[in-house]
Amino acid sequence: NAGVMQNPRHLVRRRGQEARLRCSPMKGHSHVYWYRQLPEEGLKFMVYLQKENIIDESGMPKERFSAEFPKEGPSILRIQQVVRGDSAAYFCASSLDQGQPQHFGDGTRLSIL
Amino acid sequence: GQQVMQIPQYQHVQEGEDFTTYCNSSTTLSNIQWYKQRPGGHPVFLIQLVKSGEVKKQKRLTFQFGEAKKNSSLHITATQTTDVGTYFCAAPYSSASKIIFGSGTRLSIRP
Repeated sequence: NAGVMQNPRHLVRRRGQEARLRCSPMKGHSHVYWYRQLPEEGLKFMVYLQKENIIDESGMPKERFSAEFPKEGPSILRIQQVVRGDSAAYFCASSLDQGQPQHFGDGTRLSIL
Repeated sequence: GQQVMQIPQYQHVQEGEDFTTYCNSSTTLSNIQWYKQRPGGHPVFLIQLVKSGEVKKQKRLTFQFGEAKKNSSLHITATQTTDVGTYFCAAPYSSASKIIFGSGTRLSIRP
């Protein structure tokens, strides 16, 4: 019973490039959440999606960031024209239902050169 | 908006000492969840409390949910080096159902 799968584990991009982070939720989970974490800091909520729908994107910057969770395939967090400040760990989590305990992936560590 | 305040931010204890972290909310919570994140790792769900005044135990860990469902605590008895990490409380955000995380308490231990 595979857990939440995130890839890649590490991603290096140059300023101005695009970063694409993928997340496959646990089997049977249709609720997906994305968080950003800076070193030694807490988890900052970015976006909450449920199959094909964005439920809450209040934590996501209005520009350059987008997220989707298509009917088929993983959830994607996309960052366009990356800047140094985008360097962080990005965690995806999934849950069986809204408000229920979340299961986290190993995260993607994004580094911007 | 709703926030979950967590204290202390850091706690450094001698191995064998006890440790407690506290979470407080200004609004009534439907449930509260606790997570542990080891250094370099990802958050791992520990437990969920739902009922007013609920107390749950996991070996040396004791979790409490306040009578008013506005606060919670995690207490570790006789800490061990394996307890090192950051402990987060989290709760559903009113009707929007996203989970709001506290800022976490980072526990370090002197052997």
